[in-house]
Amino acid sequence: GQQVMQIPQYQHVQEGEDFTTYCNSSTTLSNIQWYKQRPGGHPVFLIQLVKSGEVKKQKRLTFQFGEAKKNSSLHITATQTTDVGTYFCAGQGNSGGYQKVTFGTGTKLQVIP
Amino acid sequence: DTAVSQTPKYLVTQMGNDKSIKCEQNLGHDTMYWYKQDSKKFLKIMFSYNNKELIINETVPNRFSPKSPDKAHLNLHINSLELGDSAVYFCASSPVIGWGNTEAFFGQGTRLTVV
Repeated sequence: GQQVMQIPQYQHVQEGEDFTTYCNSSTTLSNIQWYKQRPGGHPVFLIQLVKSGEVKKQKRLTFQFGEAKKNSSLHITATQTTDVGTYFCAGQGNSGGYQKVTFGTGTKLQVIP
Repeated sequence: DTAVSQTPKYLVTQMGNDKSIKCEQNLGHDTMYWYKQDSKKFLKIMFSYNNKELIINETVPNRFSPKSPDKAHLNLHINSLELGDSAVYFCASSPVIGWGNTEAFFGQGTRLTVV
């Protein structure tokens, strides 16, 4: 079945440092979404990438979709304490004849002030 | 107005009990989901319903029974609760199955603790 792995599992950074999480799928994806879950909260949608090689930016966040549509990355420039949380990718692909979304294993980001 | 609401937010119960979690969405979406998030934060899909019809059942024990009386509601009933059922359960909804080109909206979660 479709598997989506993320690395690293945990990351501690000093405030102001950059952060990157990587997402790798075992199968080719139709699209990929990124979600952020604050401690004690629920996943909240950040962005969706659809095209091969697509790059999108949201202020300090840069999202990239690989050429083969099997991997993606999220890069945060100059982290702030408000960036604390767990970041999940969610890949959509064909499974058993219907589109299935599989969440990645998540990367927990801790920002040290 | 909360888009996807779950009740209760916290649930503490003894092993062997039966409990239910309710979910309602006011977004007019066709598809609803139940996800389980364990202590390691892994989010795993349990069930997906599209317009009241079960679409996905991801090898969940049959002690878990979802019920969708209409497309705005998806409840989860759990029989004979076990310690391993302790987790946070999230309800979610999306306009179409597999989300398509839109996002999924998650409820606040129900933290279930079995003692």
